[in-house]
Amino acid sequence: KAGVTQTPRYLIKTRGQQVTLSCSPISGHRSVSWYQQTPGQGLQFLFEYFSETQRNKGNFPGRFSGRQFSNSRSEMNVSTLELGDSALYLCASSYSRPAGGETQYFGPGTRLLVL
Amino acid sequence: KNQVEQSPQSLIILEGKNCTLQCNYTVSPFSNLRWYKQDTGRGPVSLTIMTFSENTKSNGRYTATLDADTKQSSLHITASQLSDSASYICVVSVGNTDKLIFGTGTRLQVFP
Repeated sequence: KAGVTQTPRYLIKTRGQQVTLSCSPISGHRSVSWYQQTPGQGLQFLFEYFSETQRNKGNFPGRFSGRQFSNSRSEMNVSTLELGDSALYLCASSYSRPAGGETQYFGPGTRLLVL
Repeated sequence: KNQVEQSPQSLIILEGKNCTLQCNYTVSPFSNLRWYKQDTGRGPVSLTIMTFSENTKSNGRYTATLDADTKQSSLHITASQLSDSASYICVVSVGNTDKLIFGTGTRLQVFP
């Protein structure tokens, strides 16, 4: 069974630009969660989608948005990039509720550098 | 406030030695606790998931314990190997919600 895939793996952008990251979950998984990871903050929850609906949202500004398609693939978008958005963005998928005890499977991440 | 604290922040051990990583949480109500291993530059990989009623769970050389009364968990690594060098992250699920609270991790380095 193929794992969670994320594209692109690396990205360099400049301040003010916008970026779209993509995540393909494991086949059959309907829940996709996004996380931001920085050295000082650890993993910070962005949002979770389940069957095309945003089910949960973290404490990030509105510049961070996402969506999920009918095939469970998900995208996240960051508009008006800031230097502080430089981070590793991780996507994780699970069959249903990750907080309910389902194992989350993480992708390799997209490393974003904002100059 | 729901929090997960891990200690130590970093740890260096010699290959073949055992070590124990700690996780203290103030999450309420508690649903489950999980440990992840994250190699540098890769996504986290689940090691164990424990619910309220489970005291210990093993995955090969990794053994996690949970004391729900004191709200503490530990991850014990036996006979460490160079491949154990990674960050270990403790995550606690808040009951009746869809929230996961992440610890900041323990960075383990195993030297030959």
